[in-house]
Amino acid sequence: GQNIDQPTEMTATEGAIVQINCTYQTSGFNGLFWYQQHAGEAPTFLSYNVLDGLEEKGRFSSFLSRSKGYSYLLLKELQMKDSASYLCAVIDSNYQLIWGAGTKLIIKP
Amino acid sequence: DTAVSQTPKYLVTQMGNDKSIKCEQNLGHDTMYWYKQDSKKFLKIMFSYNNKELIINETVPNRFSPKSPDKAHLNLHINSLELGDSAVYFCASSQYGTENTGELFFGEGSRLTVL
Repeated sequence: GQNIDQPTEMTATEGAIVQINCTYQTSGFNGLFWYQQHAGEAPTFLSYNVLDGLEEKGRFSSFLSRSKGYSYLLLKELQMKDSASYLCAVIDSNYQLIWGAGTKLIIKP
Repeated sequence: DTAVSQTPKYLVTQMGNDKSIKCEQNLGHDTMYWYKQDSKKFLKIMFSYNNKELIINETVPNRFSPKSPDKAHLNLHINSLELGDSAVYFCASSQYGTENTGELFFGEGSRLTVL
């Protein structure tokens, strides 16, 4: 079966750095997305990785290792507004988008 | 201007009723989707339409029927509602289907509660 694993919940301190990991076992790979979802709101696009390496976008960076079936989302200079769920999603060989259950990130002052 | 809008945002109804959720996108995208997000927060694809043609139909009960009058609209009709249908339903669109790795733009969600 196809599987995407993320920690259920993480806690971090305002101003700090946090890394949210995502491991996947899918039938093929055609790219990986990270989305942010605030409670009661729609998911919004953060990043897309298809090649190995680090993609940086402001305070957020996303890393991919295809050989390890692994990605992480790195959030720097955490702000209270970063409290949200972070969803990892993988495009498989059939171009189906497989979603993880998301990681709820709690930011404390 | 809201890019992807869906109505209603909240829907409370009795078991056995029939209800519809409407979705419209003004982004000029070719592909629209319906997702179900349950209490465990998994997003599950239900349907996908590319330019009015159904391209994904996951194993959802046939009580759920999507209708796309044009490529800017994708509505979801649900017959004989059951308790297990309670969830948040998200409409989304993308410039292309995932074959071209287009990012998804989601509507605000419609929270359906079946009593």
